[in-house]
Amino acid sequence: DAGVTQSPTHLIKTRGQQVTLRCSPISGHKSVSWYQQVLGQGPQFIFQYYEKEERGRGNFPDRFSARQFPNYSSELNVNALLLGDSALYLCASSLGTGGGNTIYFGEGSWLTVV
Amino acid sequence: GENVEQHPSTLSVQEGDSAVIKCTYSDSASNYFPWYKQELGKRPQLIIDIRSNVGEKKDQRIAVTLNKTAKHFSLHITETQPEDSAVYFCAASKEGSGGSYIPTFGRGTSLIVHP
Repeated sequence: DAGVTQSPTHLIKTRGQQVTLRCSPISGHKSVSWYQQVLGQGPQFIFQYYEKEERGRGNFPDRFSARQFPNYSSELNVNALLLGDSALYLCASSLGTGGGNTIYFGEGSWLTVV
Repeated sequence: GENVEQHPSTLSVQEGDSAVIKCTYSDSASNYFPWYKQELGKRPQLIIDIRSNVGEKKDQRIAVTLNKTAKHFSLHITETQPEDSAVYFCAASKEGSGGSYIPTFGRGTSLIVHP
């Protein structure tokens, strides 16, 4: 079975631009979460979706938005990019949203803002 | 919100030694504590987890202990091997307003095992 897949793997954007990151969960998983991992730190929660509904939102500005599609894939959008948005963006999927549901991370999308 | 502190930030051991990584959390409502291993340039992967109704859990060379009263939990790796070298993250999670468990991660510990 394929794991969590993300695209693109690497991208470079200019300040002020917009970016869309994509994620396909493991087959059968209905929950998708997004995390930002800055170099040298742990992943920081951005969003969680389950059955196309937002179930959680982290402490990120409104420039960050996401959605989940009927096939459970997801997109993360970031508008008006800042230098500080440079990070590894991780998508994770799980069967459900409860404690104890193992979350499986994708390889991530490396975003560099210049 | 939840705050997770993780120590040490770097841990260097000789092959065969034991390694211990400690985390503290602030929110007594947190009740699920997973540990992740992230090798250089790769995705984080779950290696072990523990719920708040259990004090200790073992899986071969890896064990996790939890002290709810003190709000701290630890990862123990025995008989370390060079392939254990990686960054380890602890996390604490609790049920959010939307009914989902959202983990808060520590800053990570870089474990280096010297052959």
